Amino acid sequence: RKEVEQDPGPFNVPEGATVAFNCTYSNSASQSFFWYRQDCRKEPKLLMSVYSSGNEDGRFTAQLNRASQYISLLIRDSKLSDSATYLCVVNDPKTSYDKVIFGPGTSLSVIP
Amino acid sequence: DGGITQSPKYLFRKEGQNVTLSCEQNLNHDAMYWYRQDPGQGLRLIYYSQIVNDFQKGDIAEGYSVSREKKESFPLTVTSAQKNPTAFYLCASSMDQGGVGRPQHFGDGTRLSIL
Repeated sequence: RKEVEQDPGPFNVPEGATVAFNCTYSNSASQSFFWYRQDCRKEPKLLMSVYSSGNEDGRFTAQLNRASQYISLLIRDSKLSDSATYLCVVNDPKTSYDKVIFGPGTSLSVIP
Repeated sequence: DGGITQSPKYLFRKEGQNVTLSCEQNLNHDAMYWYRQDPGQGLRLIYYSQIVNDFQKGDIAEGYSVSREKKESFPLTVTSAQKNPTAFYLCASSMDQGGVGRPQHFGDGTRLSIL
């Protein structure tokens, strides 16, 4: 089993739609979780951290399910500018430093 | 503005040549990282450094070397031993808190190609 898994997509959704991505991680001892956004041929940018109780930032909601070892990202009222690849990132608890593991990403295209 | 600067943006390497990618940060971050990204692939860790004058191999260190003589700087050398260097190279930094995972901030990358 890969350490961090994501459905690669692509997810093609119309403007205004709600879309959700899931990400599963293999090590139950992981403590830190993040969603990054990467535009084509650009660097990844932190979208949001994921907290145990779930958290929201505008149209974006992140949830953590420790029992099932997955995190999710919900995007409401999709905009054309949301088109990007979304990377799930989880810390690697086997190391003594801040190593994180990047998922392969889920591609989203928002269509007019 | 604080940030991470990578240079050059594009780099071409000839056969048998070593090339060095620059990474400078003014975020006062302790930890710095180098990743490689191939088309359609996730990021893979090449080297990391938690503190000045110390660095460790990541998952794919063969054919690469680094130095960390200053807190702000973490250059990566792609040696001639790296037979497939064509990729997008990303430098990142974070406030290392010893294993709990802090978010990493990235430079805008260097695209390396073979001539």
